[in-house]
Amino acid sequence: DGGITQSPKYLFRKEGQNVTLSCEQNLNHDAMYWYRQDPGQGLRLIYYSQIVNDFQKGDIAEGYSVSREKKESFPLTVTSAQKNPTAFYLCASSPRTANYLNEQFFGPGTRLTVL
Amino acid sequence: AQRVTQPEKLLSVFKGAPVELKCNYSYSGSPELFWYVQYSRQRLQLLLRHISRESIKGFTADLNKGETSFHLKKPFAQEEDSAMYYCALKGTSYGKLTFGQGTILTVHP
Repeated sequence: DGGITQSPKYLFRKEGQNVTLSCEQNLNHDAMYWYRQDPGQGLRLIYYSQIVNDFQKGDIAEGYSVSREKKESFPLTVTSAQKNPTAFYLCASSPRTANYLNEQFFGPGTRLTVL
Repeated sequence: AQRVTQPEKLLSVFKGAPVELKCNYSYSGSPELFWYVQYSRQRLQLLLRHISRESIKGFTADLNKGETSFHLKKPFAQEEDSAMYYCALKGTSYGKLTFGQGTILTVHP
């Protein structure tokens, strides 16, 4: 089951610590995305990247940071500045070509709990 | 600004009954709309997109620009349709999707 992988599946962090969530894809997609999923709030976009070495803030970027040094990888760091980090985090990717109808492919997610 | 609203957090129906999951959007341009589904213990995946005018697993959705709606419908619900459903809109920003709050559909036997 290739496609998009996220690790770890569960992550626990103490308050005040930074933590990095991994997202890797072997679909040769240019665009990658990070979402946060909270009950009753749907999916909210944190950051997205359309191409290597470039990324943009989404709707709730405060307290998060990303990098895109390789096409296959788009790690998300949850910093101590994020006030309510406990959530389920989803990574997605999509082809950049406009004709591809913009379907996004999602990873299995990482559940982060701050203790 | 673009916004997607799914007014029902929970929706319960019995097997064989019709089901309609509501989705309304706010967007000034010409939107592209999608329905994504997340079954228990599975990944979020695309169910259908309005531009393809397709029917997947018996579900259809028609874009109504006058009412700014994209409701998801199925004439006869099945137990395996129980899942979380998200409506999503793509506006101007390339690839960027705005999701609704999601509706949990439960189909009872």
